Amino acid sequence: DTEVTQTPKHLVMGMTNKKSLKCEQHMGHRAMYWYKQKAKKPPELMFVYSYEKLSINESVPSRFSPECPNSSLLNLHLHALQPEDSALYLCASSQAGGPRGTEAFFGQGTRLTVV
Amino acid sequence: GENVEQHPSTLSVQEGDSAVIKCTYSDSASNYFPWYKQELGKGPQLIIDIRSNVGEKKDQRIAVTLNKTAKHFSLHITETQPEDSAVYFCAASGNTNAGKSTFGDGTTLTVKP
Repeated sequence: DTEVTQTPKHLVMGMTNKKSLKCEQHMGHRAMYWYKQKAKKPPELMFVYSYEKLSINESVPSRFSPECPNSSLLNLHLHALQPEDSALYLCASSQAGGPRGTEAFFGQGTRLTVV
Repeated sequence: GENVEQHPSTLSVQEGDSAVIKCTYSDSASNYFPWYKQELGKGPQLIIDIRSNVGEKKDQRIAVTLNKTAKHFSLHITETQPEDSAVYFCAASGNTNAGKSTFGDGTTLTVKP
């Protein structure tokens, strides 16, 4: 199983709503990531979890709150978002640590629209 | 930090022709160079990667070359097919997880039947 599964595929939320994006992998990867991708742009890293601990936060606004309940799951909690936060949110996973970069597997993404 | 430049931004080829996409990177410590294909409405999918101890790698119609001295690497697709049409991203990373790769801006490849 080389899949990273993200739910939901599409999400429309108001600026006062609270919602969560979910990501799951069963490849035994101990590094998981959240990316944000705007149209016609490359993915931008938001957060990195390594062994269920937050290791990197790329100065993301606090209205985005990540959570890693266990080694297979990654959540992104959303609250009081702005319309400019509308984007494709991608989850990825890879083997953690080691002296060299390793292959990252991406999910299909959640298309988020903030109204 | 690392900076990756990718060219061209758009590429249109006739079915059966070859396509070449080039990337340059700035950090000599980078040692892992993946290429991703992203189709409309989908997440990026790794299609080939190369590490700094290798100069060339081939997988069927796809090949990647790396010149560490010049700090550039290229994706070569031969015998292109309409289903190769997508956005292609190069990336570079150092002694860290590939998920923290620095991406190029992408190349939109269109293969005309």
